[in-house]
Amino acid sequence: SQQGEEDPQALSIQEGENATMNCSYKTSINNLQWYRQNSGRGLVHLILIRSNEREKHSGRLRVTLDTSKKSSSLLITASRAADTASYFCATDGVDSRLTFGEGTQLTVNP
Amino acid sequence: ETGVTQTPRHLVMGMTNKKSLKCEQHLGHNAMYWYKQSAKKPLELMFVYNFKEQTENNSVPSRFSPECPNSSHLFLHLHTLQPEDSALYLCASSQDIGGETQYFGPGTRLLVL
Repeated sequence: SQQGEEDPQALSIQEGENATMNCSYKTSINNLQWYRQNSGRGLVHLILIRSNEREKHSGRLRVTLDTSKKSSSLLITASRAADTASYFCATDGVDSRLTFGEGTQLTVNP
Repeated sequence: ETGVTQTPRHLVMGMTNKKSLKCEQHLGHNAMYWYKQSAKKPLELMFVYNFKEQTENNSVPSRFSPECPNSSHLFLHLHTLQPEDSALYLCASSQDIGGETQYFGPGTRLLVL
């Protein structure tokens, strides 16, 4: 069954604004990852947060994880036009396979 | 770039053709993966190889045939495909199998006519 589901499906903001994307999942996880994909390209790993962590930062990225609610959020601060891409969460469940959601399409307008 | 290369980047083939997709990773990883990405659908895991051995075939039709001659190279042989097989095919690798960070190639955009 599908694990990560991102919300919203699409998000359009102005440059300089913050972008928040959410991910919900169904079963227990070992870790949760966020990936980014520019149109027609491969996915690029952004950040991994383990099930015993609640928050993690990397540059302008901030990821939170709430295992009681089975949800995670990705915050991109001070967004730039170059942040325009699709963002996916991927969960590592009991079978140790990564399962990806359908993604959030972020558009940052200059 | 991530150290995972894929060729060709674009491929158009007829339903009776035979073609192969190639993936090479320069990261010294032990696990390699094929994914299919279709519009409006989540990434679909097709095959998993660990130390050259196939560990997972995710109910993929036999018209897709993977080959892993060594832990750095992965092929996907295509034969008598259907138009619905048109998609972006992504190769990825990770240090070991499991839920580790995966490094993706740029993908092969396949169009089946």
